Amino acid sequence: NAGVTQTPKFQVLKTGQSMTLQCAQDMNHEYMSWYRQDPGMGLRLIHYSVGAGITDQGEVPNGYNVSRSTTEDFPLRLLSAAPSQTSVYFCASSYTGTGNTEAFFGQGTRLTVV
Amino acid sequence: GENVEQHPSTLSVQEGDSAVIKCTYSDSASNYFPWYKQELGKGPQLIIDIRSNVGEKKDQRIAVTLNKTAKHFSLHITETQPEDSAVYFCAASMGDSNYQLIWGAGTKLIIKP
Repeated sequence: NAGVTQTPKFQVLKTGQSMTLQCAQDMNHEYMSWYRQDPGMGLRLIHYSVGAGITDQGEVPNGYNVSRSTTEDFPLRLLSAAPSQTSVYFCASSYTGTGNTEAFFGQGTRLTVV
Repeated sequence: GENVEQHPSTLSVQEGDSAVIKCTYSDSASNYFPWYKQELGKGPQLIIDIRSNVGEKKDQRIAVTLNKTAKHFSLHITETQPEDSAVYFCAASMGDSNYQLIWGAGTKLIIKP
């Protein structure tokens, strides 16, 4: 099984550009989420979804949009990239929710905004 | 807000020795405490978890202990091996939420040959 697949692996953006980070899972998980990882700060939740058509904000949602039209896909959109969004982004999925069951993570997307 | 403090930030141990990483959480309603291992260039992977109705859990060389009164939980790795070198994260559920975790800042574990 592929598990959780993220694309791209690396991306460089100019300030003000927009882009979409893709995330797909093949485990039929209802719950999906996006995190950003910055040095010395652990993982911070951006947005999450408990099922198709349902999304909610996490700890650091500003500057990001999400949608969940299918169970498999959960794209993250950067509307107008800023240097503060330079980070490593991880998508994760789990059967019910990361607050009580194992989360499966993708390989990450390293984003640099110049 | 609620937080999870993790110590130490870096831990260097001799191969074959034991390693202990400690976390303290602030939300008394937290009831799920996972530990994740992150190898270089990869996403985190669950290695062990514990729920609030259990005080200790063991899986081969890895064990986790939970002290709910002190709001403290620890990861113990015995007989460390080179492949244990990685960054380890503790986390606690945000209250009794099924959907959110509060993460520690991570511990870089270095196993010296």
